[in-house]
Amino acid sequence: QVHLQESGPGLVKASETLSLMCSVSGFSISSGYYWGWIRQPPGKGLEWIGTIYYRGTTYYNVSLVSRVSISLDTSMTQFSLRLSSVTAADTGVYFCARIRHAVTTLRGIDYWGQGAPVTVSS
Amino acid sequence: QSALTQPRSVSGSPGQSVTISCTGTSSDVGAYNYVSWYQHHPGKAPKLMIYDVSVRASGVPDRFSGSKSGNTASLTISGLQAEDEAYYSCSSYAGSYTLLFGGGTTLTVL
Repeated sequence: QVHLQESGPGLVKASETLSLMCSVSGFSISSGYYWGWIRQPPGKGLEWIGTIYYRGTTYYNVSLVSRVSISLDTSMTQFSLRLSSVTAADTGVYFCARIRHAVTTLRGIDYWGQGAPVTVSS
Repeated sequence: QSALTQPRSVSGSPGQSVTISCTGTSSDVGAYNYVSWYQHHPGKAPKLMIYDVSVRASGVPDRFSGSKSGNTASLTISGLQAEDEAYYSCSSYAGSYTLLFGGGTTLTVL
């Protein structure tokens, strides 16, 4: 069974960088799939942050592209998210996920992490 | 890209049927048959219920069904049960390796 688990600080100061890690078990990242980050601000719907292919190609939400970076760990059991210059608007629950895909499209998420709440403080 | 539109809340009594809509545009929901539905219970990982518009994920009861017409996808839950009470979200492929999500719908079983 594929299992994903987010980890990282739950409190980040405004203007600093939010860093989260997603640990994957039950499946090796090097075996394939796209992997991604999604967030949910309080009281709002989900927002796609970005995706990384198992070979390292990344795709980011255009509204976040100047501040976001997703990378694979060399162990191929983890991938990470970095979001710089955070503000209160970046407060929310951050989810990591495995994304199903066809040859040139993404088909949706089949496994999610439980979510990591992050608060940006002033 | 704007989020997909879902009703904020729906409700139904046990045994009844409810439908949750997910409305996008001709660039996302209307363009691809890659709509998925997820069930969230507080404190738990969201669970995939439906993928590729109408395919039930493994282990999902056949009370759950998905469909699409034009730019609107729908999730129908028949024979409502208490454990169906949850938050439901939809997603659609939106081109250029991006995913678009709905605003989420809270289902209350009366």
